[in-house]
Amino acid sequence: DAKTTQPNSMESNEEEPVHLPCNHSTISGTDYIHWYRQLPSQGPEYVIHGLTSNVNNRMASLAIAEDRKSSTLILHRATLRDAAVYYCILRDYNTDKLIFGTGTRLQVFP
Amino acid sequence: EPEVTQTPSHQVTQMGQEVILRCVPISNHLYFYWYRQILGQKVEFLVSFYNNEISEKSEIFDDQFSVERPDGSNFTLKIRSTKLEDSAMYFCASIRDYTDTQYFGPGTRLTVL
Repeated sequence: DAKTTQPNSMESNEEEPVHLPCNHSTISGTDYIHWYRQLPSQGPEYVIHGLTSNVNNRMASLAIAEDRKSSTLILHRATLRDAAVYYCILRDYNTDKLIFGTGTRLQVFP
Repeated sequence: EPEVTQTPSHQVTQMGQEVILRCVPISNHLYFYWYRQILGQKVEFLVSFYNNEISEKSEIFDDQFSVERPDGSNFTLKIRSTKLEDSAMYFCASIRDYTDTQYFGPGTRLTVL
């Protein structure tokens, strides 16, 4: 399974944008980039995913580098509820299981 | 919005006892999963299940573990003889289509004494 590298932790103030980076230099052509998050004492929750183009949804935006070796999850205005561990996961088109790394723990301060 | 539910939320058992963790996936979903997360560690894939059979399992999923979909709504994980190291959060997940994103339940905290 292709691996991802994320910072262990990041901090933000409420109402500010947050950019969560992820490196995946060994990504293959059939790997989708998925982001999940895990709020305290809860199960993982889908955030967004993409293949090559940038993606937007109601929760976040995903910016994918042109060479696909890195991506950035963007939370446009962080809220206290966004404090969670964010996982960047490469998922091959031919498999359905998710391989979680250690993720980035995001702290949001009022 | 439909969601995956799991029961119980917390299960305490003695080492060597059998436990059954229950999940109710989203009703029109066809693919089902169990993951576990030992306290302070990563979420780990255990098993995937489709069409009433295991489609993939990890090294963790040994002979002590089994899964079943006994009726049209429940999906269970059984641990036959629990060990201390089985203490963890167990998450159930489901999807409708193979390429869909996974919907996770809130988890069952298993404590083995």
